[in-house]
Amino acid sequence: DAKTTQPPSMDCAEGRAANLPCNHSTISGNEYVYWYRQIHSQGPQYIIHGLKNNETNEMASLIITEDRKSSTLILPHATLRDTAVYYCIVRGMNAGGTSYGKLTFGQGTILTVHP
Amino acid sequence: DARVTQTPRHKVTEMGQEVTMRCQPILGHNTVFWYRQTMMQGLELLAYFRNRAPLDDSGMPKDRFSAEMPDATLATLKIQPSEPRDSAVYFCASGLVSGNHTIYFGEGSWLTVV
Repeated sequence: DAKTTQPPSMDCAEGRAANLPCNHSTISGNEYVYWYRQIHSQGPQYIIHGLKNNETNEMASLIITEDRKSSTLILPHATLRDTAVYYCIVRGMNAGGTSYGKLTFGQGTILTVHP
Repeated sequence: DARVTQTPRHKVTEMGQEVTMRCQPILGHNTVFWYRQTMMQGLELLAYFRNRAPLDDSGMPKDRFSAEMPDATLATLKIQPSEPRDSAVYFCASGLVSGNHTIYFGEGSWLTVV
C-alpha cells in the first residue's frame, strides 16, 4: 500500500472549516483514498473515500488532486465533537494480492477544535 | 444500525493466563480484520480473514497469538500465554472486499495484563 504523510496536529476554531491535508505521492491507479477518524476511547470511524473525483457526504468533503498525489479532507463547520485523530489511508484494491482491501494506518493528524 | 460487536470490552488478567477476545462481524460481511492499538505503535494489523480463511497474519506474533473464524458470525483472537506487553486495545473490523466497500470497526477490547 502507498504510504501517506499527514501533519501531526492541527487546530481549528469551532464553526470554521477544518482542512486536513494528506500526501500520497506513490499512490497507484487502483488505490482508493480513505479517511477515518478516532475519537478518544472509541473505534475508528469511517468518514469518506474516493478514487479520482471529489466526494461529499453528510460528514465531510474529500478533494483529490488531479494527479492523485494528495488530498484534503474538509469538515465544513467543525464542532467540538470533531476533535479526534484523523487518518488518511490508501487502500490497495489489487485483487489477488495479500494487501487487497487492507487498511494500513499511519500516525494520523490530531485535530483539536477549540471554542 | 448494524455494527461490529466485540467482547469483552474490558479485561484485566494475570501474566501467563489465556485470553480470548471475540468478535461478531456485521451480517453479510466476508472480511474480518484484527488490529491492535498501543500508544507506541499505533494501530497495527494483526490478522485478516476473507470468507473465513486467513489471508494475512504476518503482523501477529505466532508463538502466542492465534486467530480463527469458527463460523461466519464469530471471529476469535486468542493469546496464550499472555504477557504484560500484550496490554493494548484490540479492534475487530469487518467489511466487504469487493469494489470499494467500507470497513467498519468495533469499539475494541481493552486488555490489561498484570
